[in-house]
Amino acid sequence: DAGVTQSPTHLIKTRGQHVTLRCSPISGHKSVSWYQQVLGQGPQFIFQYYEKEERGRGNFPDRFSARQFPNYSSELNVNALLLGDSALYLCASSLAPGLGNEKLFFGSGTQLSVL
Amino acid sequence: DAKTTQPTSMDCAEGRAANLPCNHSTISGNEYVYWYRQIHSQGPQYIIHGLKNNETNEMASLIITEDRKSSTLILPHATLRDTAVYYCIVPIQGAQKLVFGQGTRLTINP
Repeated sequence: DAGVTQSPTHLIKTRGQHVTLRCSPISGHKSVSWYQQVLGQGPQFIFQYYEKEERGRGNFPDRFSARQFPNYSSELNVNALLLGDSALYLCASSLAPGLGNEKLFFGSGTQLSVL
Repeated sequence: DAKTTQPTSMDCAEGRAANLPCNHSTISGNEYVYWYRQIHSQGPQYIIHGLKNNETNEMASLIITEDRKSSTLILPHATLRDTAVYYCIVPIQGAQKLVFGQGTRLTINP
């Protein structure tokens, strides 16, 4: 079975540009979450979507947005890129939205470099 | 999320058991303890989770103290491929997010 797939794997952008990152969850998983991991730190929660609705949002500016499609895949959009947006962006999927007794499965991430 | 405290780094010899401690003294009665690990340049990988009973799977064992204020992840026969950052996380029941701390950087030495 395919795991969580993310594309592209690497991306280089310049300041002010926008970027779209894509994620396909594990088959049967309806919840997708996005995390940002800056070098040397643990991942930080950005968004969670379940059944195409936003279920959670982390402490990120409005330049960050996301959506989930009917097939449960998801896109993360970042506008007006800043140097500080350079990070590994991780997508994770799970069967259900709550994490009380639920495992998250992560993709390998998209490495974004903003120059 | 319930705060967790882990050592910054640990070393273990290949073939020996690696025991990674975690303190979570403010954990609530219905909150689970999760362990994930992250090998360099990869996404985090789920290892194991538990509520109050000890748990074992093909990757590791999780020992939770009776008062649930601490736990230990055990890798029974560590290999070089177990070198990674290990995160102990206690998500709030029903929470939508995991809060990752700094984790424990485990180095397995040959």
